[in-house]
Amino acid sequence: RKEVEQDPGPFNVPEGATVAFNCTYSNSASQSFFWYRQDCRKEPKLLMSVYSSGNEDGRFTAQLNRASQYISLLIRDSKLSDSATYLCVVSSGSARQLTFGSGTQLTVLP
Amino acid sequence: DAGVTQSPTHLIKTRGQHVTLRCSPISGHKSVSWYQQVLGQGPQFIFQYYEKEERGRGNFPDRFSARQFPNYSSELNVNALLLGDSALYLCASSPRQGVRYGYTFGSGTRLTVV
Repeated sequence: RKEVEQDPGPFNVPEGATVAFNCTYSNSASQSFFWYRQDCRKEPKLLMSVYSSGNEDGRFTAQLNRASQYISLLIRDSKLSDSATYLCVVSSGSARQLTFGSGTQLTVLP
Repeated sequence: DAGVTQSPTHLIKTRGQHVTLRCSPISGHKSVSWYQQVLGQGPQFIFQYYEKEERGRGNFPDRFSARQFPNYSSELNVNALLLGDSALYLCASSPRQGVRYGYTFGSGTRLTVV
């Protein structure tokens, strides 16, 4: 079993749609949680950190359920520029190394 | 301010050769981590260095090694290259070890082994 598992995708949605990504992690000792965004052939970029209380940044809302070891990302009013691969990431271990999911590809269609 | 810089951006090597990849962290950042990303997968942790000491190592063979210099820049070395080492190698920096708020990645070195 992979340490971080994501919806395989791809997701193809029209502009203005709401899309949700889900992720589960296996290490109950994981300490921090993130969503990264990666454009084609580019480096991953931090989209947002994820907290148990839930957090929102504009059109993006992230939720963490530690009991279920489940992380989610909701994107409202999708834009063409949201097209990318979204990576679910957890931090664990003494070095707080990042463990990435395989990513979910999102394409927003005009 | 410059972000995380990596060199070279692209590299083609032959099986069995050795390669050195370089990374300069964001100014003031003391922690550097290396990740390998093969096509279609998320990045995989290789090493973390903080204050010039190895603080974490992923599940990679001993052909992979790294070091951090007094100016906090870092090198990743891979010996006896295999075709399967072809990947995007990413360097990430953070102000200190165990940062809570995520890491900043460089644009990577794309290594092709033929």
